[in-house]
Amino acid sequence: DVKVTQSSRYLVKRTGEKVFLECVQDMDHENMFWYRQDPGLGLRLIYFSYDVKMKEKGDIPEGYSVSREKKERFSLILESASTNQTSMYLCASSQNRDRGATNEKLFFGSGTQLSVL
Amino acid sequence: GDSVTQMEGPVTLSEEAFLTINCTYTATGYPSLFWYVQYPGEGLQLLLKATKADDKGSNKGFEATYRKETTSFHLEKGSVQVSDSAVYFCARRNTGGFKTIFGAGTRLFVKA
Repeated sequence: DVKVTQSSRYLVKRTGEKVFLECVQDMDHENMFWYRQDPGLGLRLIYFSYDVKMKEKGDIPEGYSVSREKKERFSLILESASTNQTSMYLCASSQNRDRGATNEKLFFGSGTQLSVL
Repeated sequence: GDSVTQMEGPVTLSEEAFLTINCTYTATGYPSLFWYVQYPGEGLQLLLKATKADDKGSNKGFEATYRKETTSFHLEKGSVQVSDSAVYFCARRNTGGFKTIFGAGTRLFVKA
């Protein structure tokens, strides 16, 4: 069965801390994504990666960076956590490298609920 | 820009009631359309999809038809169960890109 694993289910950090959220997929997928989920706003794309060491900004990249050194792992980094980054963070992956493959589905991890105090 | 609009929740129904959750999308390009479901404590999982106009996606008793003329992709189920209680997200993905755009989500509660 396919699996996207996020390293922590719950995380509590202090303002100003550097925070790493880790995501690993075991499906040899090309594409990986980081979303944040907030009530009333749905899912908003932070960053995505379509290949190792490649990344593109999503809709809300400010305050975040990402790293993809290996195909299976995609890390989200909060350089200096702030209270407005308290949210549920969801990692996802998809298989196809072809931008024309519009019908491809996303596979999601269970999410990391981050609280910044 | 591209967007997806869903009816606000929560929606509360009794078991065996008929469900409709409305979804409309901006009519740019030729998107594929999806419904994802999120059960409590879990990530999202694909419920159904449709890739072109007039396609009907279906799964687990849920259906949605891609209506280009009304730019809609409403989710329906004839008889809901308590186990259908979850958050439902409508989404679109355009040709030529990797981004999937999600609606705000609609929470469904089904009472026994």
